[in-house]
Amino acid sequence: QSVLTQPPSVSGAPGQRVTISCTGSSSNIGTGYDVHWYQHLPGTAPKLLIYANNDRPSGVPDRFSGSRSGTSASLAITGLQAEDEADYYCQSYDSSLRGVFGGGTKLTVL
Amino acid sequence: QVQLVESGGGLVKPGGSLRLSCAASEFTFSDYYIIWIRQAPGRGLEWVAEINTSGSTTYYADSVKGRFTISRDNAKNSLFLQMNSLRAEDTAVYYCARVFLSGVAGYYFDYWGQGTLVTVSS
Repeated sequence: QSVLTQPPSVSGAPGQRVTISCTGSSSNIGTGYDVHWYQHLPGTAPKLLIYANNDRPSGVPDRFSGSRSGTSASLAITGLQAEDEADYYCQSYDSSLRGVFGGGTKLTVL
Repeated sequence: QVQLVESGGGLVKPGGSLRLSCAASEFTFSDYYIIWIRQAPGRGLEWVAEINTSGSTTYYADSVKGRFTISRDNAKNSLFLQMNSLRAEDTAVYYCARVFLSGVAGYYFDYWGQGTLVTVSS
C-alpha cells in the first residue's frame, strides 16, 4: 500500500486531455511539501517530469502541467500523443517516512 | 550529461547477500544526497535508503532496516548498497538516483540510473 494514492489506470484518445490525481495526507502533501511527477517506461530509467508542483525540467513539453491543493495534487496532459503511454508516479516528502511515492498510474493512449 | 550506472544485481538465494554499486559521473558527487529506490515486479516505486553528502547520516525504509546498509565513497564517485538476509520480497529492480533538496519543501530525484535487477529465489 503506497503512502500516496493514485488511480491504477487512465486512458484517452490522441489529442485529448487526461488528468492523474495524487492524494496524500497531513504528514506529506498537506504539510506543504512539494509534489513531483515521474514518467516511467518499462526497462528505462524513470524521468523527472514535473517538479515543485508545476515546474518542468528543460525538454519536457508544456503539454504536461501539475497542480497541488490541500492534501492532493494532479498531473494534466493535454494533446495526448502515443508516446505519452507510460506509467506515471507522484512523489512527495513525508515528515516521518521521508521520500514517498504513489502507486503509479498506467496511461493508455487509445 | 549526468550519469548514474548501477551494477551488482543478480540471482541470490533467500538469506544470501549482495552488494550493489552505483557509479556517478559528470557532476560533483560529494555535493548531493543519493538514494536507492526499488520497483518489485508489478509494483510501484519504493524508497529504500538515503545517504547524506558526507555519508555520516543514513536513512532506511522499515522494510530493509537492519538488513541493508547504504554507503558512499566520494573519492571514487560511488554509492553502494550492501544487502544481507535477503528475502523473496526484496526481488526488484534497484535504481540509484540523485536527490535535489528543496529546503523546507522537501526533495525530488532529478537523475536516475537504468537500474539493476535483484532476484531472490531458491
